[in-house]
This record gives sequence, C-alpha cells and structure tokens, in this order.
Amino acid sequence: QKEVEQDPGPLSVPEGAIVSLNCTYSNSAFQYFMWYRQYSRKGPELLMYTYSSGNKEDGRFTAQVDKSSKYISLFIRDSQPSDSATYLCAMTMNSGNTPLVFGKGTRLSVIA
Amino acid sequence: GAVVSQHPSRVICKSGTSVKIECRSLDFQATTMFWYRQFPKKSLMLMATSNEGSKATYEQGVEKDKFLINHASLTLSTLTVTSAHPEDSSFYICSASDGDPYGYTFGSGTRLTVV
Repeated sequence: QKEVEQDPGPLSVPEGAIVSLNCTYSNSAFQYFMWYRQYSRKGPELLMYTYSSGNKEDGRFTAQVDKSSKYISLFIRDSQPSDSATYLCAMTMNSGNTPLVFGKGTRLSVIA
Repeated sequence: GAVVSQHPSRVICKSGTSVKIECRSLDFQATTMFWYRQFPKKSLMLMATSNEGSKATYEQGVEKDKFLINHASLTLSTLTVTSAHPEDSSFYICSASDGDPYGYTFGSGTRLTVV
C-alpha cells in the first residue's frame, strides 16, 4: 500500500460545477496537509494547507482533513476553465526539513 | 509570498555534456532544498534532499555522481547533470523550505532535452 493514494483521473467537469478531489493516506503520523496546483510545464504552487483535522476555506476552495479516516479533500466551487490543472495532495509529519509525501496528482479539466 | 527562482527554464544539450540548473530563494533563507524529477503526466519523484553546508542525501536509485547537488548558501542550490544522456531528458523541479511545515516553495522547473 502506498503512503498516499490519489486518483489520477482525468476528471472533466463543466464550468460552474463543484469539484471534489480526494486523497487517502496510511501513516497516522502525518499532521500537515497541503494541496498544490500544477499547470502544465510549471512548478507546483501551494493552494491550501491545513493542520490536523478540520476545514479551511479560502474563496472558492475548501480543504478538509479527517484524520480518523485518514482522508483529505479539496472542494472547488463554481469551477472555472482556469482551474484546469493537476492537483497534488501532499503531507508531512513535522518540520519543513523533511520531504513532502505527494499523491500522484489528479488532472482536472473544466470545460467552458 | 515566498519566491523561488529556477533557471534555465529550458535547455537543450548534446549527449555527453554537463548541464547546471540553479535554484535561488529570493526572499527567504532555504534551510533545506529538494530536487525532483517529473515525467510527463506523472507525479514528482524526489531525487535528493540537501541542507545548507551539508552533503545531499540521495534517494535510492539516484546516481549521486551523475546528479551533483550543491547547497553552498541559504539562498542557492544547484543541480548538475553530468555526462548527460537522452534518458536524462526530463522536467526537473527544485523546492526550497524555510523550515516551516507549510514553507515549501517550488521553482518553475527546468525542461532538459539531451540530444
């Protein structure tokens, strides 16, 4: 079993749809959870981050962490064509001096 | 926000030559740098981790004599691909961390093509 599982998609939705992206993980020691967005041929950019369990909302984006289920989610409301990208979940146990553990990434296409 | 400058953005080199990729943290001190390789439509593959002033720690299967990593200062790390071959063609991305659990900032990547 891989440490972090993420459905690679591709996922195609119409503009305005609500998008749900998810990851599961096996290591209960993970405490810091992040979502990165990566456009084609670019480096990943941090989109959302949460600590331990709970929700965090920022504009059209909501990140959720359920540590009891080892499950994290990213919701995108009112999706736009500009949201078309690959979304990577990432997590770490402690400091920023250890490598992030990434999911495979989900390719999302929002169709106008 | 934190910015990491990576260059060149793309490079084409001849087989057998060496290529250096630079990664600079512009507005923060990067205590740790990470180098990744990414194949088309695949996730990031960690190559090595380096702390300022220390030798890099390479992941299993990554040739340390082929992929030379230098992290001589808190703002600069370099990856040198030595004696490049066509199979080294890939997208290379650096990430710099200031030690904060959320403080990982990625460069924009370098597309290396070896002909």
